Amino acid sequence: RKEVEQDPGPFNVPEGATVAFNCTYSNSASQSFFWYRQDCRKEPKLLMSVYSSGNEDGRFTAQLNRASQYISLLIRDSKLSDSATYLCAYNFNKFYFGSGTKLNVKP
Amino acid sequence: DTGVSQNPRHKITKRGQNVTFRCDPISEHNRLYWYRQTLGQGPEFLTYFQNEAQLEKSRLLSDRFSAERPKGSFSTLEIQRTEQGDSAMYLCASDSKDSYEQYFGPGTRLTVT
Repeated sequence: RKEVEQDPGPFNVPEGATVAFNCTYSNSASQSFFWYRQDCRKEPKLLMSVYSSGNEDGRFTAQLNRASQYISLLIRDSKLSDSATYLCAYNFNKFYFGSGTKLNVKP
Repeated sequence: DTGVSQNPRHKITKRGQNVTFRCDPISEHNRLYWYRQTLGQGPEFLTYFQNEAQLEKSRLLSDRFSAERPKGSFSTLEIQRTEQGDSAMYLCASDSKDSYEQYFGPGTRLTVT
């Protein structure tokens, strides 16, 4: 089993839609969780940290479900500029990244 | 610009040659990480330093790979006797002891011909 699993997508959604991604992780002792955004041929950029019960930043909401060992990312009112690959990651002694979920927001 | 920087941005080399990449982390960050990323995959952990100490190295890393951070500031990653399978983006990231929020550099894209 992979340390971090994500649906590769792509998720094709119209502008203004709400879209959600899930990410499952294998290590129940993990404490720190993150969502990164990566544009084509660019480096990952930190989008949100996900601590304890989750957090919200504008149109983005991240949740942590420890019982089921997954984190989620919800994007509301999606914009064309949200088109990217979204990587989830966790830290337990070192970092483990998923392979990413590709999002295409269409006009 | 006080972000993570990496040099060179691109490197094309012939199989069998040695290459060295440099990473300059955010100045107040004491942890520095190296990753490799190939198309369609997430960053794959290679090694990390806390100050000048190399604390972990991936089991996937062959003996041809070595990394240093001699003064706890910049770091170098060397690949000896490169193989075509080494072609990838090599990413560096840093974070501080107060937070595990990592910030990545722009990467070095290696092509081995």
